[in-house]
Amino acid sequence: SQELEQSPQSLIVQEGKNLTINCTSSKTLYGLYWYKQKYGEGLIFLMMLQKGGEEKSHEKITAKLDEKKQQSSLHITASQPSHAGIYLCGADIMNRDDKIIFGKGTRLHILP
Amino acid sequence: DSGVTQTPKHLITATGQRVTLRCSPRSGDLSVYWYQQSLDQGLQFLIQYYNGEERAKGNILERFSAQQFPDLHSELNLSSLELGDSALYFCASSLTGDNSPLHFGNGTRLTVT
Repeated sequence: SQELEQSPQSLIVQEGKNLTINCTSSKTLYGLYWYKQKYGEGLIFLMMLQKGGEEKSHEKITAKLDEKKQQSSLHITASQPSHAGIYLCGADIMNRDDKIIFGKGTRLHILP
Repeated sequence: DSGVTQTPKHLITATGQRVTLRCSPRSGDLSVYWYQQSLDQGLQFLIQYYNGEERAKGNILERFSAQQFPDLHSELNLSSLELGDSALYFCASSLTGDNSPLHFGNGTRLTVT
């Protein structure tokens, strides 16, 4: 089973609408990272969250890590075509040998 | 531009062959990671090096090996290639390897025919 679950898998929204993407872990997270990927290209770092309850914003994108440090949400306000792409959450999972593992991603399409 | 350089961008080879993927980390970064991305499996962690030493290992096949050189560049060697090895291979680097974000290269697209 996937240790980091992202939902939804795919999202189609009208330009200008708000949207939320979720990332859930069954284990406590040391740190949570959000990345954006254009199809077939590299991942672009968006934000890193470490403390429970922490919230960060970058332009119109806001991410929050819940108090228990097992879930994060990424919220985009007034979506634009430039927001289209694949959003991936990555995490340091406590007590694992692996380093940062990733969810399978959420494909975001913005309709003009 | 993340500052991480991967070569080549594309690689097409036949089953049974061996290839080497190369990665130059961002200036100042000591840690290098390799990931494999395929449509069905998503982004899978392969291996991490820190300052020349192996630090963490994921589900890396025995046919695959990697190393980080004194100048901190890294190479991923894939041998006895199979059709299922076709994927995007990403290298990422970070400053320390602990609680610091990864910066990804643009990947090498490997096609095994």
